[in-house]
Amino acid sequence: NAGVTQTPKFRVLKTGQSMTLLCAQDMNHEYMYWYRQDPGMGLRLIHYSVGEGTTAKGEVPDGYNVSRLKKQNFLLGLESAAPSQTSVYFCASSWGEKLFFGSGTQLSVL
Amino acid sequence: SQQGEEDPQALSIQEGENATMNCSYKTSINNLQWYRQNSGRGLVHLILIRSNEREKHSGRLRVTLDTSKKSSSLLITASRAADTASYFCATRLTGGGNKLTFGTGTQLKVEL
Repeated sequence: NAGVTQTPKFRVLKTGQSMTLLCAQDMNHEYMYWYRQDPGMGLRLIHYSVGEGTTAKGEVPDGYNVSRLKKQNFLLGLESAAPSQTSVYFCASSWGEKLFFGSGTQLSVL
Repeated sequence: SQQGEEDPQALSIQEGENATMNCSYKTSINNLQWYRQNSGRGLVHLILIRSNEREKHSGRLRVTLDTSKKSSSLLITASRAADTASYFCATRLTGGGNKLTFGTGTQLKVEL
């Protein structure tokens, strides 16, 4: 039982490049989330989804896009990466009230 | 601004001692949850307390909630080196749907 799997685990981008982070869950959860974690800031919600085909903005959505074409997958896209997007990105899923997290993607934008 | 603020930011204790960390929040909540994050890993759910509950226990964990003061505390009794981690409170706001808002975290170090 893999739970929540994030790929890639590490990535270095140059300013202006684009990339997609993939999150996959095998627990049949309806809800999925993307958070970013920065030192001293805790986790901040970027976007979330309440079911297949739905997405919604979180606290810090600017510069990111998401898609939930399949229930088990939630993709986070950066169209034109900026140094301010250097962070650790966590995907999570839930069915009830508690969240299950992936192990994170460490992204550096130079 | 953050919904939850943890205090202290960092805590260092000896194995066997108790560790207490506090969380304050700003708006009405449905429930409050505590998560643990080991270095370089994702967060793991520890315990949930609802807004109509005042205290909850799970193993060596004790959580209290005071909605009048908008605060919660997490007590870890008889700490072990394996408890070394960051601890985050997270709140589900009243009318906030299924979103959780996380605090800034407390870094706990338990020394042998």
